[in-house]
Amino acid sequence: GDSVTQMEGPVTLSEEAFLTINCTYTATGYPSLFWYVQYPGEGLQLLLKATKADDKGSNKGFEATYRKETTSFHLEKGSVQVSDSAVYFCALRSIQGAQKLVFGQGTRLTINP
Amino acid sequence: DVKVTQSSRYLVKRTGEKVFLECVQDMDHENMFWYRQDPGLGLRLIYFSYDVKMKEKGDIPEGYSVSREKKERFSLILESASTNQTSMYLCASGVSGGTGGNQPQHFGDGTRLSIL
Repeated sequence: GDSVTQMEGPVTLSEEAFLTINCTYTATGYPSLFWYVQYPGEGLQLLLKATKADDKGSNKGFEATYRKETTSFHLEKGSVQVSDSAVYFCALRSIQGAQKLVFGQGTRLTINP
Repeated sequence: DVKVTQSSRYLVKRTGEKVFLECVQDMDHENMFWYRQDPGLGLRLIYFSYDVKMKEKGDIPEGYSVSREKKERFSLILESASTNQTSMYLCASGVSGGTGGNQPQHFGDGTRLSIL
């Protein structure tokens, strides 16, 4: 079945550091790919998405590129801020089965000032 | 603005109780979902519904049931609560069909349920 694998956390960085959170997937066909963010005490919010190969999603300084050849959708940000501290989830939306989301296990990110 | 509302942020119940978690969306979405979130496991789908009175099992339906009598409301029911159902429960909604696959799901703020 479809699956998503994220890099193990937690990740701790200093403010203004470069961020990469790795995400790879296994799926039939060409799923849509998403990054969601969960701030403390809140539900999940969509951060960015990509719907076909080589698409780049971007939002709030974060970027991720849909790489079909490596089945990856790594999240990057050039200079992180304390306010980016949250849990990040990579997810895919299958072309089968009522288009439900399949999530990775989540990566907790802490940014120190 | 898009809104998914879960009835409780925190809930404490006892083993063996029947527990109801309620979710309401105001976006006229066809699809609604219930997930549970546990550390290290991400989000796992319990049940989803693609129309009124329609439901399908997700990956971990055991011990749960759902009800969707109106399009905007989706209820999760723990028939006889057990301690291993202590978790964060998240409701989501989304469009279906055609280009719906390109659209995100919208989440509520979650209900943290403790079973004692």
